Amino acid sequence: NAGVTQTPKFRVLKTGQSMTLLCAQDMNHEYMYWYRQDPGMGLRLIHYSVGEGTTAKGEVPDGYNVSRLKKQNFLLGLESAAPSQTSVYFCASSLQLNYGYTFGSGTRLTVV
Amino acid sequence: EDQVTQSPEALRLQEGESSSLNCSYTVSGLRGLFWYRQDPGKGPEFLFTLYSAGEEKEKERLKATLTKKESFLHITAPKPEDSATYLCAVQDSGGSNYKLTFGKGTLLTVNP
Repeated sequence: NAGVTQTPKFRVLKTGQSMTLLCAQDMNHEYMYWYRQDPGMGLRLIHYSVGEGTTAKGEVPDGYNVSRLKKQNFLLGLESAAPSQTSVYFCASSLQLNYGYTFGSGTRLTVV
Repeated sequence: EDQVTQSPEALRLQEGESSSLNCSYTVSGLRGLFWYRQDPGKGPEFLFTLYSAGEEKEKERLKATLTKKESFLHITAPKPEDSATYLCAVQDSGGSNYKLTFGKGTLLTVNP
């Protein structure tokens, strides 16, 4: 049972480039989330999904887009990367809204 | 706006020296309070969910308690492998109940 798998684990982008971060879960969870973690700050919600085909904005959605075409996958896209998007990105999933999350191992993204 | 403050920011203990971590929170209504453990370079690992004041939960050397304004994570006779960053998060029962608001964490170091 893999849980939540994120790819890639590391990436360096140039300003203006685009990329997609992939999150896959094998627990049949309805809810999926993308958070970013920056030094000195708590984890902050970027986007989330309450089920297949649904997405919604979180606290810091600007510059990101998401898609959830299949229940097990949640994709995070950066259309035009900026240095302010340098961060560690975590995907998470949960069975119910008020259950504990299962997090992936993270993607460390550097935008130069 | 939901707020979570964790203290201390860092705590250094000797093996076997018990102590407590604090999580103070402000929410309009509490749906749940969550504790996670995060090791360097990894995603947060779920520990506990507390739903109402007076509730307590235990796991090995860890015990979490909850009041209407704060939660404590008590660590009894810690071992070096308990060294990690401990994160607290709250979920509001109101309009923003889709997200967790995280604190900045307490970095715990247990020396042998």
